[in-house]
Amino acid sequence: AQSVTQLDSHVSVSEGTPVLLRCNYSSSYSPSLFWYVQHPNKGLQLLLKYTSAATLVKGINGFEAEFKKSETSFHLTKPSAHMSDAAEYFCVVRKPRGNEKLTFGTGTRLTIIP
Amino acid sequence: GAVVSQHPSWVICKSGTSVKIECRSLDFQATTMFWYRQFPKQSLMLMATSNEGSKATYEQGVEKDKFLINHASLTLSTLTVTSAHPEDSSFYICSARESGTSGNEQFFGPGTRLTVL
Repeated sequence: AQSVTQLDSHVSVSEGTPVLLRCNYSSSYSPSLFWYVQHPNKGLQLLLKYTSAATLVKGINGFEAEFKKSETSFHLTKPSAHMSDAAEYFCVVRKPRGNEKLTFGTGTRLTIIP
Repeated sequence: GAVVSQHPSWVICKSGTSVKIECRSLDFQATTMFWYRQFPKQSLMLMATSNEGSKATYEQGVEKDKFLINHASLTLSTLTVTSAHPEDSSFYICSARESGTSGNEQFFGPGTRLTVL
């Protein structure tokens, strides 16, 4: 079975400071990992994905994540937070080789302090 | 980019009635659509996978006779909650994968909030 654990349900950072949203995964095989963002009243948007290529993945809006197999982690980072980054973030795991089922973490709400 | 819409965005109904939720891919064809359920402060849980022209595949524990899924065209899937009860109140989200792509990105709708009184 596969699962993801988002270690923080809520993270608050000041505008202009770095963002770190933590995610650990559990999988008996090499998974595909994703980060999605959910703004109020909008659909989930894909930020970035890891599919066994480069371990450092760059996404949209300045976000990036690093796949660390030894730590079973896929933490999301951004050097400088912007007010528009305030949203709910989900770490997601998917089996490789065509299985499309996505398993979601419980989400991290990111608040940006002006 | 690919856009998925849902209608309605919110609905309130009486216990015992049925509610239909639509999921549309606006600018692409979707052979496969997915229905998720999200409880407050919880993650999304996959309910079923909907394939155009065939029966949906339900996840374990999801009642197929209660949550009827119809995927009659390449741009529309519907979820009908039959004989709704207060415990069915939740946020329902659909996603769609573009036809001809395998294992690629799912595009998500904005969700439908169902409240059963």
